[in-house]
Amino acid sequence: GAVVSQHPSWVICKSGTSVKIECRSLDFQATTMFWYRQFPKQSLMLMATSNEGSKATYEQGVEKDKFLINHASLTLSTLTVTSAHPEDSSFYICSAVGLAGVEQFFGPGTRLTVL
Amino acid sequence: QKEVEQDPGPLSVPEGAIVSLNCTYSNSAFQYFMWYRQYSRKGPELLMYTYSSGNKEDGRFTAQVDKSSKYISLFIRDSQPSDSATYLCAMSSPLNAGGTSYGKLTFGQGTILTVHP
Repeated sequence: GAVVSQHPSWVICKSGTSVKIECRSLDFQATTMFWYRQFPKQSLMLMATSNEGSKATYEQGVEKDKFLINHASLTLSTLTVTSAHPEDSSFYICSAVGLAGVEQFFGPGTRLTVL
Repeated sequence: QKEVEQDPGPLSVPEGAIVSLNCTYSNSAFQYFMWYRQYSRKGPELLMYTYSSGNKEDGRFTAQVDKSSKYISLFIRDSQPSDSATYLCAMSSPLNAGGTSYGKLTFGQGTILTVHP
C-alpha cells in the first residue's frame, strides 16, 4: 500500500511560537492532500484541502491565517501552526490521494502540545 | 442530523466472535465507502473500500453496502485481540460528472472495539 509520512511525530512548544508539520507521500504522487485535526476519543475533523500549486481550501471555522498550508510539490505538503496557543494542542493528521483519485492514505499523525 | 451516523460503542466481544459495525448516511451522492482502522495515537489505516452497492471480502473482513437503505456494514470474522481499535466508516462523492475524481471524506464518529482473550 501507499505510504504517507509525517514529521515530526511529536512536538512540544511554548505558547506564541510557530510549528511546522510536514506530510510526505513516499511512493506515489499526491494530487491532493488533506489536513485533519483529532481530539481524544473523537473522529477526524477536516481542516483544509490542499492541491499542488494552488491555495488550500479551508473548512468553515478554520482560521487560514493561523493554519498555513503549503503544497509545494506532488509529494510534500506542510501545515504551519502560527502563534500557537494551548488550545491548538491536538493530534494533526494528513492524508494523500493518488492520481487514481479515490483512496486516501493517512500519515501516522503529529501530536502537538503547546505549553 | 449528521451526514454519517456511526454508533460510537464501545463494543466489547470475546475472541473468536463475529463483529458487526455499521453506519448510516443521508447523502445519496456518496459513491465510495471506506472502512478505516485506527489504533490509539496512530493515523487511520485503510481496511477496505467499496463502490456502490454490494459485498466485498478480504480475509476476515467483509464490507457490505446497501445504497437503497443508505446503510453500510463491516463484518469481522474470528475476531482477535489485535483487532481492538477504533473503526471509522468514511464516504466520498465524485467531484466531476465522469466520476474520475473524488473529494473529501465524510467520517462517522468511529466505533471503539475491544476483543478480549
